[in-house]
Amino acid sequence: GAGVSQSPSNKVTEKGKDVELRCDPISGHTALYWYRQSLGQGLEFLIYFQGNSAPDKSGLPSDRFSAERTGGSVSTLTIQRTQQEDSAVYLCASSLDGRRAFFGQGTRLTVV
Amino acid sequence: GESVGLHLPTLSVQEGDNSIINCAYSNSASDYFIWYKQESGKGPQFIIDIRSNMDKRQGQRVTVLLNKTVKHLSLQIAATQPGDSAVYFCAENRGPNSGYSTLTFGKGTMLLVSP
Repeated sequence: GAGVSQSPSNKVTEKGKDVELRCDPISGHTALYWYRQSLGQGLEFLIYFQGNSAPDKSGLPSDRFSAERTGGSVSTLTIQRTQQEDSAVYLCASSLDGRRAFFGQGTRLTVV
Repeated sequence: GESVGLHLPTLSVQEGDNSIINCAYSNSASDYFIWYKQESGKGPQFIIDIRSNMDKRQGQRVTVLLNKTVKHLSLQIAATQPGDSAVYFCAENRGPNSGYSTLTFGKGTMLLVSP
């Protein structure tokens, strides 16, 4: 595809359930980022993958959050035992040069 | 109960005016400073960037100024149009020579352009 694709676009889950969010980056982009954005707020960094280097996980808010990037391409963000405060839009981006990042449309997660 | 509202600073301008959006950054080690635009319901979109060894860069209708002495970045939009209405974020990162880093975003400013 031409851009970054995220799925699902919307996800409603019950508190305590696990969710998986998927990101298909632009082909060939070595950098991949996950951010979280609450309504009317800024972008909260979660995790960053750069090539084959160890990911920067410093933004993950708790051990319920994890992410992986398989084969340097597709990435999955997993949230275990979801809580209501996890409700937000989760944005994925990829970049070739680390400056010009291309964002997906995001996954809106609602925990009820 | 408490309503969820916008907590972003807002700049309101008239169509045709020039707009200046400001950002203070904290990391002196950043190699690049970048501006992004986020329209409602969409992901942020790259506008322009500037390398840390520059103080000014111009694009189409936009100019970015960097003042490293006071750690200040600004985005100037000439002849602002209603389509410029969005939230603008500054971001910074380190480049390959410094060891790559993630993009760190500022808090954002909402620009409202009235016709």
